[in-house]
Order: sequence, then structure tokens, then C-alpha cells
Amino acid sequence: NAGVTQTPKFRVLKTGQSMTLLCAQDMNHEYMYWYRQDPGMGLRLIHYSVGEGTTAKGEVPDGYNVSRLKKQNFLLGLESAAPSQTSVYFCASSQRTGVSPLHFGNGTRLTVT
Amino acid sequence: AQSVTQPDIHITVSEGASLELRCNYSYGATPYLFWYVQSPGQGLQLLLKYFSGDTLVQGIKGFEAEFKRSQSSFNLRKPSVHWSDAAEYFCAVGTTSGTYKYIFGTGTRLKVLA
Repeated sequence: NAGVTQTPKFRVLKTGQSMTLLCAQDMNHEYMYWYRQDPGMGLRLIHYSVGEGTTAKGEVPDGYNVSRLKKQNFLLGLESAAPSQTSVYFCASSQRTGVSPLHFGNGTRLTVT
Repeated sequence: AQSVTQPDIHITVSEGASLELRCNYSYGATPYLFWYVQSPGQGLQLLLKYFSGDTLVQGIKGFEAEFKRSQSSFNLRKPSVHWSDAAEYFCAVGTTSGTYKYIFGTGTRLKVLA
């Protein structure tokens, strides 16, 4: 029972490089989310998806793009990484939005130098 | 505006002592309330949730929380803390309105003294 799986676990990028974070869930959840976690700021929503083929902006979407081509996968892309994007990124999924608990992956620690 | 406040950034307790972590929320309707725990290097794990009914809810690992509508609070408690409870704890509100369906507090880091 894997739940939510994120890859990679760690990544170091140079400013201007691009990368994609992969999130996969095996719970058949409709809703998926990408959060970033920074010290003292809690969790901030980057983008979310309400179903296959849909995406929407969250609280801090600038500099990120997402895609949900398959229901079980939610990809987060950084086209041109900046040091301000150094953070821990979490993917989550839920059966319903707002009323069901979130299921989180173990996170990706990204450092941009 | 909807918000969640965890007033204590850090809390230190001795092993075996009782614990209470505070959470206050601001939300117009009846909220869906959650407590999560995050161990170092891990994702957030659900401890317990409140939707309706009995205002005292039981969770995993011996935790409980009490919903108090009059105080807009949802405090987390544990009668006797174990060293393995050292972690960061997040309170969250789930909403059925607005753009962002989950609002998180900034967390309380718990340190347990042996």
C-alpha cells in the first residue's frame, strides 16, 4: 500500500536549470496538490488538480507549471529554477477536497544554487 | 479571511508529562478540522479529524483533540508524552468554499526531554 510516492527525494539545481518532480498515488483520488514547505511559513499551495486533465493555480504558482495527464500522476515543473525555489515540496491527494484528509508523500528537498 | 493560528512555535515537555498544543481558526461556517504530525524527513501524517458530532475526537498514537466552537479552537492533547512524539504538529482547516480548500497553521515543534 504505497499511498503517495514522490520522486526524487533530493535534488540540487543551478539557477536557470529545469526539472520535473513526479507524484504518483494509488488510492484513485480525484484531487491532487503540490505544496511547498518553508521554515516558519507552514505549507503553501502551489497548484492543484480536481481531476485528470485539470490544473489550477494555488497560493504561490509563479515559476511553476503542472500537468495531470493521468489520474494517478501529478507532475510539478520548474522551467528556470531560482534560489527562492529552494524548499521542500510535498505532493498530496484527497478523495474529496476540503472535507477529506490529505494524504502526503514524503517530500522532495530541492536546493537551487 | 480564513486562517489557522498555532500560537506556540516550539514546546518542550518531559517524557511522561501531559501535552496540549493549541490551534485557533477563523472560519465562518462549521469547519472540517485536522491535526497532522511530521517527523523529520517525512511527510505529514494524519493524527485525527473532526467533522461533526462528538466534540472530543480520538486519534492515533494516543492523541485526542477537542473542538470548542465558542473559542474557535481545536487543541491537541496527549496524557503522557513519549520520546517518539518529538516532531512538528500542524493544525489545518478544510473548507467547502473559497479557492484554497485546506488552510494550515505554521506548525508547533515539539521537543521531548528524557
